[in-house]
Amino acid sequence: AQSVSQHNHHVILSEAASLELGCNYSYGGTVNLFWYVQYPGQHLQLLLKYFSGDPLVKGIKGFEAEFIKSKFSFNLRKPSVQWSDTAEYFCAVNADGNQGGKLIFGQGTELSVKP
Amino acid sequence: DGGITQSPKYLFRKEGQNVTLSCEQNLNHDAMYWYRQDPGQGLRLIYYSQIVNDFQKGDIAEGYSVSREKKESFPLTVTSAQKNPTAFYLCASSRGRMTSGSFSYNEQFFGPGTRLTVL
Repeated sequence: AQSVSQHNHHVILSEAASLELGCNYSYGGTVNLFWYVQYPGQHLQLLLKYFSGDPLVKGIKGFEAEFIKSKFSFNLRKPSVQWSDTAEYFCAVNADGNQGGKLIFGQGTELSVKP
Repeated sequence: DGGITQSPKYLFRKEGQNVTLSCEQNLNHDAMYWYRQDPGQGLRLIYYSQIVNDFQKGDIAEGYSVSREKKESFPLTVTSAQKNPTAFYLCASSRGRMTSGSFSYNEQFFGPGTRLTVL
């Protein structure tokens, strides 16, 4: 069965620190990859997505992620975090050809940024 | 203003009652989804629908039912058979797309959620 693992459950950083959140998936075929963010009290919203092409994708608010097919990974990065980045982050995978566009989500990583 | 609406925001249910959560979208999206969010477990798929009058079970469909009579609407009923219904329920939708001769889906857009508590 397909699965998605986010290795960091809770990350605490100071403002201006660099961020990298890990995401690994288990599926050998073509995948579509996503990072979503859930700010306190707000909708789950899309940070960035990968369907094909350049494996380094840029998203909103200065976030980027790199798809490394050989490592089955799609790690999220930001060079300098802000207090407003405090939120829960979810990695999600859709296996191409998977009927209906179903997403498999990781467990989520809670990020706390200290001012 | 385009988007996905869910109602109610908070719902309280007594043991043994069925309750229905509403989800409406005006994005003209083909597919709609219901997820359940529990702390430390991410989102898990309950049901999804690609077209009107058709839907498929997700990973945790037991104790839930859905209908898709209109493209815009995908209500979820939490039945008394659901053993642990207290959770945050999220509805989502996405648009279908053709790429390289095959059909798939774009990213999903999410509603604000309904928090269900069983008393």
